[in-house]
Amino acid sequence: GENVEQHPSTLSVQEGDSAVIKCTYSDSASNYFPWYKQELGKRPQLIIDIRSNVGEKKDQRIAVTLNKTAKHFSLHITETQPEDSAVYFCAASTAPRYNDYKLSFGAGTTVTVRA
Amino acid sequence: NAGVMQNPRHLVRRRGQEARLRCSPMKGHSHVYWYRQLPEEGLKFMVYLQKENIIDESGMPKERFSAEFPKEGPSILRIQQVVRGDSAAYFCASSPPRGSRTLETQYFGPGTRLLVL
Repeated sequence: GENVEQHPSTLSVQEGDSAVIKCTYSDSASNYFPWYKQELGKRPQLIIDIRSNVGEKKDQRIAVTLNKTAKHFSLHITETQPEDSAVYFCAASTAPRYNDYKLSFGAGTTVTVRA
Repeated sequence: NAGVMQNPRHLVRRRGQEARLRCSPMKGHSHVYWYRQLPEEGLKFMVYLQKENIIDESGMPKERFSAEFPKEGPSILRIQQVVRGDSAAYFCASSPPRGSRTLETQYFGPGTRLLVL
């Protein structure tokens, strides 16, 4: 099955700086890569996703890049703010191919934005 | 427009009791997924269901765990004879029906935090 690795496990950045989280996956058939943000005690919230037919996607201060050849994808947060502090999870899925929609998650990155 | 609903939000059980967790998908969604999150870990897939069908239960423990999504009513994850190792947060997610442009997108509920004493 799919194995997703995520680095770093913790990340501390100064407010206003950028944060980058990297994930690798093992299954070359994976073609859908969402990122979730989870605040303490809350539900995971989808913040951005990318499909394998594009290499980059941006939404305001958040961007995701995908390198299918190397099987890795990254989350970039620019101009970080205190409210960006949370745990971020990457995930991968082979959906809709093989009718397999389950998400395989990375272990998470705890991001702390220092004021 | 209500999101994914789960209840109860917190559940305390003694070893050997049964735990029953409920999930109502977003309006218009007919696909439900259950994930388990152990403390300070990522989410692990358990089971994927459509109405009256289990599509993929490859992440479910072979014993004590079962799931259903009846024609009417919420999806239910049932854990029989709970043990301390079952203590975790259990999240449900739902996705749009097949034919939707964003059918892979999963939206999560608030979770049920199960504590086994």
